[in-house]
Amino acid sequence: QSVLAQPPSASGTPGQRVTISCSGSSSNIGSRTVNWYHQLPGTAPKLLIYNNDQRPSGVPDRFSGSKSGTSASLAISGLQSEDEADYYCAAWDDSLNGVVFGGGTKLTVL
Amino acid sequence: QGQLVESGGGVVQPGRSLRLSCSASEFTFSNYAMYWVRQAPGKGLEWVAVTSHDESIKYYAVSVRGRFTVSRDNSRNTLYLQMNSLRTEDTAVYYCARRKIGADGLDVWGQGTLVTVSS
Repeated sequence: QSVLAQPPSASGTPGQRVTISCSGSSSNIGSRTVNWYHQLPGTAPKLLIYNNDQRPSGVPDRFSGSKSGTSASLAISGLQSEDEADYYCAAWDDSLNGVVFGGGTKLTVL
Repeated sequence: QGQLVESGGGVVQPGRSLRLSCSASEFTFSNYAMYWVRQAPGKGLEWVAVTSHDESIKYYAVSVRGRFTVSRDNSRNTLYLQMNSLRTEDTAVYYCARRKIGADGLDVWGQGTLVTVSS
């Protein structure tokens, strides 16, 4: 069982807006920044959002992140077929002295 | 932007050792904290270890503490993961990754190397 809780699956139709939640605790999300990664099958993860809401260069502004208390969310607007992937949230945990990941959310574009 | 290439994976028997390498290029390796992250077949991501840019700080996941050792050679632009007393549950693709300066995010990842622990 992962330290950060994510729904195992999410879905939407092209053009729709979907959100993926990530729930943690005071020792991780509550006191640290949240990062989001996405991963296509058979490939390495890619950084999507860092410092809660910042996008690396090259990431479309359709992707946005937010954090409130011990929870965080990733929103994807204008859903596209190529967004179909696994999405992971992550944060440093001060109690464990390490990075904790969510279990991952498989996004399906219907 | 930066590139990372892992090597050293393979099939190994339980209880044996293996050393993974991660070769960095196209960025100043010695400026960055570096991470190992693994992914068991069909499973999610699991953080393994981290070293600061100068090896002064290292942390390990509970699952590998005392068995795995992370190190780096900044003169060779290479990160290592020495894995001893391997267990079947260590079977995974192992990724090395670079931490973005000024942030917690891992912004450059290698392609991964598969470690299979099996008798």
